[in-house]
Amino acid sequence: QVQLQESGPGLVKPSQTLSLTCTVSGGSISSGGYHWSWIRQHPGKGLEWIGYIHYSGSTYYNPSLKGRLTISVDTSKNQISLNLPSVTAADTAVYYCASTKRMGALFDYWGQGAQVTVS
Amino acid sequence: QSALTQPASVSGSPGQSITISCTGTSSDVGNYNLVSWYQQHPGKAPKLMIYEVNKRPSGVSNRFSGSKSGNTASLTISGLQAEDEADYYCCSFAGITTFEVFGGGTKLTVL
Repeated sequence: QVQLQESGPGLVKPSQTLSLTCTVSGGSISSGGYHWSWIRQHPGKGLEWIGYIHYSGSTYYNPSLKGRLTISVDTSKNQISLNLPSVTAADTAVYYCASTKRMGALFDYWGQGAQVTVS
Repeated sequence: QSALTQPASVSGSPGQSITISCTGTSSDVGNYNLVSWYQQHPGKAPKLMIYEVNKRPSGVSNRFSGSKSGNTASLTISGLQAEDEADYYCCSFAGITTFEVFGGGTKLTVL
């Protein structure tokens, strides 16, 4: 079974860059048509899809965040990464990585989440 | 403001059935049979419960079922159990510009 684990700084200063990594185990990040997603949850709020990446490097971003972020993949390390520059307090959230069998509202495996506070 | 509209809360007694609605538009819920539902217990990651409107992943109880009519999708939980108390989120594909949109979530209380 695929397992995902997010890692990165829990505290980021305003205007700096938020960087998170998701390590995939129990399966290859290059498997089939899988896309690998980032999803965040603001404190006490709902879920917000950030974007996803295919192992080939094709990326798809939430239009409201497009231009602000970069999602990348390292197949040699079985990892995906999220970089969000110029953060503000509004970026404080729990950040999840999730596997997506294909585009279309199908997030089947999730990491435990990484709390990131901008302060 | 979330793209999909869900009631903030629903409640039911053990053994009863409840339904959670998820209202979108003709650009998302109404245009694709790509709606999923997630269960989230406090402090935990969401768990996929329903996908493609009414399909259950392996291991999910058949007490959970999904449906869709027009721009509104629904999640029904029958035979409520205490362990079903959680937040529930719907998600829909919204085309190749917007991609994925979530609902604001519904808190289910088992009385």
